[in-house]
Amino acid sequence: QVLLVQSGTEVQKPGASVKISCKASGYTFSNFYMHWVRQAPGQGLEWVGIINPTGDSISYALKFQGRVTMTRDTSTSTVYMELRSLRSEDTAVYYCARAWNQYFDYWGQGTLVTVSS
Amino acid sequence: DIVMTQTPLSSPVTLGQPASISCRSSQSLEHSDGNTYLSWLQQRPGQPPRLLIYKISNRFSGVPDRFSGSGAGTDFTLKISRVEPEDVGVYYCMQATQFPRTFGQGTKVEIK
Repeated sequence: QVLLVQSGTEVQKPGASVKISCKASGYTFSNFYMHWVRQAPGQGLEWVGIINPTGDSISYALKFQGRVTMTRDTSTSTVYMELRSLRSEDTAVYYCARAWNQYFDYWGQGTLVTVSS
Repeated sequence: DIVMTQTPLSSPVTLGQPASISCRSSQSLEHSDGNTYLSWLQQRPGQPPRLLIYKISNRFSGVPDRFSGSGAGTDFTLKISRVEPEDVGVYYCMQATQFPRTFGQGTKVEIK
């Protein structure tokens, strides 16, 4: 079955960076793009960006451009999202979600990133 | 960006009774390819979101048939024919017609 397993909880100070991983299994990694979505505590969903399996087609939401980098490692079927210059407003659960026919069909379990001094 | 607006934001329902959620987009979601890329997601407490409905009215694999979607253009509806205990959670509409992908604010379905 399709599984997306994300890395664990992170606690970072303002100004630091965080890199989250999302390891895919149960399907052909090279056939699907991957989205990243975040959810601040008690809030709704916010799209962060999308990466294709080969890593040469990437699109970020405007508000994250310059601070976010998405990469992938096809040898381990893993995608990564790095967010830099963290601020308290970046405290959220970050999800990877597989792209299927424009939609998000399978989601990772989420990674809580807390930004606090 | 396309703004997605859901109503109501909270929906207390009696078990076995229907529930309905509306979603309106700030512009038509009909793509140049003729498709309308509107989906509904369910997020149970403490869980990641789950795809329920795609392309307005298609149930995703494993989704019970008490869930149905309808609509066109800018106005869409998710209906639950008879609410079950496991339906408690927050429901989001999401447009996939253009980037950035955008979501409604979410509608909390709870049992009266």
